[in-house]
Amino acid sequence: GQNIDQPTEMTATEGAIVQINCTYQTSGFNGLFWYQQHAGEAPTFLSYNVLDGLEEKGRFSSFLSRSKGYSYLLLKELQMKDSASYLCASTPGNYGGATNKLIFGTGTLLAVQP
Amino acid sequence: DTAVSQTPKYLVTQMGNDKSIKCEQNLGHDTMYWYKQDSKKFLKIMFSYNNKELIINETVPNRFSPKSPDKAHLNLHINSLELGDSAVYFCASSQDPISSEQFFGPGTRLTVL
Repeated sequence: GQNIDQPTEMTATEGAIVQINCTYQTSGFNGLFWYQQHAGEAPTFLSYNVLDGLEEKGRFSSFLSRSKGYSYLLLKELQMKDSASYLCASTPGNYGGATNKLIFGTGTLLAVQP
Repeated sequence: DTAVSQTPKYLVTQMGNDKSIKCEQNLGHDTMYWYKQDSKKFLKIMFSYNNKELIINETVPNRFSPKSPDKAHLNLHINSLELGDSAVYFCASSQDPISSEQFFGPGTRLTVL
């Protein structure tokens, strides 16, 4: 089966660091994605991990452990504009061959406070 | 210069009606998708087309029928609309079926009364 778990809500302070965790259980695995979605807008791509380890991209970093079925998104130097939902998504590797079917978690709503 | 566009942005209609949502991408991508995001913000894939061919068809009522006239377009037609169809529908595209990044359209908020 497919299951993605992440916290529903988080609150953090401007300028701080926040870590959003995600655990996944999917039939096969072809990568883990993080998307950002502001209220009323479309999801936008943040990161993609397929190998274990940390991928850094500016203020955002994403980590993956395939053996533990675990990922996290790390946001540094938080800004007010980072208030958004952060969606974790896994791609099962055995859906009718090689197809990029995203299985999304319910998202973590992050509120950044002054 | 919009990458993935959808029309209409808002759609309000009565139960039992038939409606269509259109999607176009100008990124030259081969693969397009339809997602549904419900009131709890849960985003779930419905369909995917690659080069006009259906490759993903989730458990969706057959009242929903996607059509891809060419690689750049993927439309969604919904028959006999029900209250539970109210949601935001997102179109997305990617370079190919196994590409690492999907680009989402702005969404169509469908409200069924």
